[in-house]
Amino acid sequence: NAGVTQTPKFQVLKTGQSMTLQCAQDMNHNSMYWYRQDPGMGLRLIYYSASEGTTDKGEVPNGYNVSRLNKREFSLRLESAAPSQTSVYFCASSEAHLYSNQPQHFGDGTRLSIL
Amino acid sequence: GNSVTQMEGPVTLSEEAFLTINCTYTATGYPSLFWYVQYPGEGLQLLLKATKADDKGSNKGFEATYRKETTSFHLEKGSVQVSDSAVYFCALSDDGGTSYGKLTFGQGTILTVHP
Repeated sequence: NAGVTQTPKFQVLKTGQSMTLQCAQDMNHNSMYWYRQDPGMGLRLIYYSASEGTTDKGEVPNGYNVSRLNKREFSLRLESAAPSQTSVYFCASSEAHLYSNQPQHFGDGTRLSIL
Repeated sequence: GNSVTQMEGPVTLSEEAFLTINCTYTATGYPSLFWYVQYPGEGLQLLLKATKADDKGSNKGFEATYRKETTSFHLEKGSVQVSDSAVYFCALSDDGGTSYGKLTFGQGTILTVHP
């Protein structure tokens, strides 16, 4: 009963390094999302994928890229990490392909620090 | 654009006290509304939802009513427990076929309940 699995759970990077955050879901959901969580700002959408083979920008996409590898997996890449990208990153999935009232299911997050 | 505003926290209560966390929103159309809860070190979990005006969502003793006339979705619980200590997020999802369930979150309210 894994749900949404994110790896790694913690990571420390130096400025300029690159990194890929992995996310996989086993609920056969069409839609997947990446958010970042910063103190006092709630969660903000970085990118989302409405279905396999499609991706689109969210509210704060700059500095990130994504890949929807297949229906299960949705990865987030930082090409050249900056201290402003220090945050907790959450992946989520849902059945909300066409209907917005389906809830999202979240992973436990990746805590990323960039020095 | 859409926005969600939650009452400022943190909120500190004694066990068995009454809880209200205010949430108001700005959106076009008829969004679905959600409350999510985040326990320490975990991802977000859906607490309750409401998909149309005057709907009441409820779960684990928590309730919230979708009030379109006041654009509000306040969270209430009659008697809180220590185990309710967590961060609570109000969120909305656009209606319509192109929303793909994207969520707009409030900033979160930290609740601490003392014995």
